[in-house]
Amino acid sequence: GAGVSQSPSNKVTEKGKDVELRCDPISGHTALYWYRQRLGQGLEFLIYFQGNSAPDKSGLPSDRFSAERTGESVSTLTIQRTQQEDSAVYLCASSNTGTGNNEQFFGPGTRLTVL
Amino acid sequence: GDSVTQMEGPVTLSEEAFLTINCTYTATGYPSLFWYVQYPGEGLQLLLKATKADDKGSNKGFEATYRKETTSFHLEKGSVQVSDSAVYFCALSDATSYGKLTFGQGTILTVHP
Repeated sequence: GAGVSQSPSNKVTEKGKDVELRCDPISGHTALYWYRQRLGQGLEFLIYFQGNSAPDKSGLPSDRFSAERTGESVSTLTIQRTQQEDSAVYLCASSNTGTGNNEQFFGPGTRLTVL
Repeated sequence: GDSVTQMEGPVTLSEEAFLTINCTYTATGYPSLFWYVQYPGEGLQLLLKATKADDKGSNKGFEATYRKETTSFHLEKGSVQVSDSAVYFCALSDATSYGKLTFGQGTILTVHP
């Protein structure tokens, strides 16, 4: 694959339901990031994975949010008991190292709407 | 904590006009600075970056200079085109943060023929 892919592209759910968002990073990229973009705002960092190291979960807004990554491949972001304030575009990015000056490549995002 | 502040938009210009989008930051240490762009219907992509003070990043006619003394990274282009219409995000990556990005709120640029 040429770039980062995410699925689904759109998700509409009812308040209180659980949702799972998927990210396929660029092959060979060891670092993977999840961000959230609320309407009219900048991107907020959620979580970071680097290889087999423990993830940096410092950006997760509540314990309803969790994420997993298997090795250096697919990652899933799970939101339990969704609330209306969870409505946002969820973006995934990958880079070939987890360093500060390295370019991150972003996926197209998943637009989540919680009714 | 780290933060990035961009000039509020939206910005509307005529083709061939001069563009400046202001960006200032607060960070510990010596961050790397980035401008990302999101064209209509497309994903976020890197436009340019600078990794140390006085560095100038440039791409597609856009430029930005890392100014440590004013903690700024303003984006400029001498002559904008309709195809530059997009949302522009200033961002920083702290040296201690494993590359995670802190973004400004974004500036919508619309260029009219």
